[in-house]
Amino acid sequence: DVKVTQSSRYLVKRTGEKVFLECVQDMDHENMFWYRQDPGLGLRLIYFSYDVKMKEKGDIPEGYSVSREKKERFSLILESASTNQTSMYLCASSTLDTVGGYTFGSGTRLTVV
Amino acid sequence: DAKTTQPPSMDCAEGRAANLPCNHSTISGNEYVYWYRQIHSQGPQYIIHGLKNNETNEMASLIITEDRKSSTLILPHATLRDTAVYYCIVRVVGSNYKLTFGKGTLLTVNP
Repeated sequence: DVKVTQSSRYLVKRTGEKVFLECVQDMDHENMFWYRQDPGLGLRLIYFSYDVKMKEKGDIPEGYSVSREKKERFSLILESASTNQTSMYLCASSTLDTVGGYTFGSGTRLTVV
Repeated sequence: DAKTTQPPSMDCAEGRAANLPCNHSTISGNEYVYWYRQIHSQGPQYIIHGLKNNETNEMASLIITEDRKSSTLILPHATLRDTAVYYCIVRVVGSNYKLTFGKGTLLTVNP
């Protein structure tokens, strides 16, 4: 019954590394999202995509980029990882009108050392 | 999106119904009520949503007052695995892609 799959549950990377976080959904959803969640700051939207090759910046896009080459896959890229990017990263998907709610993945806890 | 108010924590005995309240007194006519939950260290999970009518699915029931200013999420037979933070969100669908969680209610189901 897996619907949104994030490639890694835990990840440890070094400062300056390029980091790829992968997300795949099997529900044929148009929208896909990347959020990060930090204690006391809640969920913050990094990027979202409503179609293949389309992307929109969220609230905190700096230091991140995304790629959506196929409808089911949405990748988050940390161009040069920094310690302040240590966080829980959550991928989600939804239908275009978002009425049915968002389906989240299990999250990737990234630690940058 | 309208602001919501939830109690910070609640306890429930295993097997009993858990009733989680949410106040959304400034809700507007085109805003839906959504409930999500987040079990520790996992991604949020969609539970249920409604506009005006009461709703029920395999996970829970959602009761919305007639004036739509408050709602209650009901877990009919709570289990230990229902221990989580429950978030009530009010939002217009379609044009707004941001999902903002408040502090939610930590529901602890006790054996």
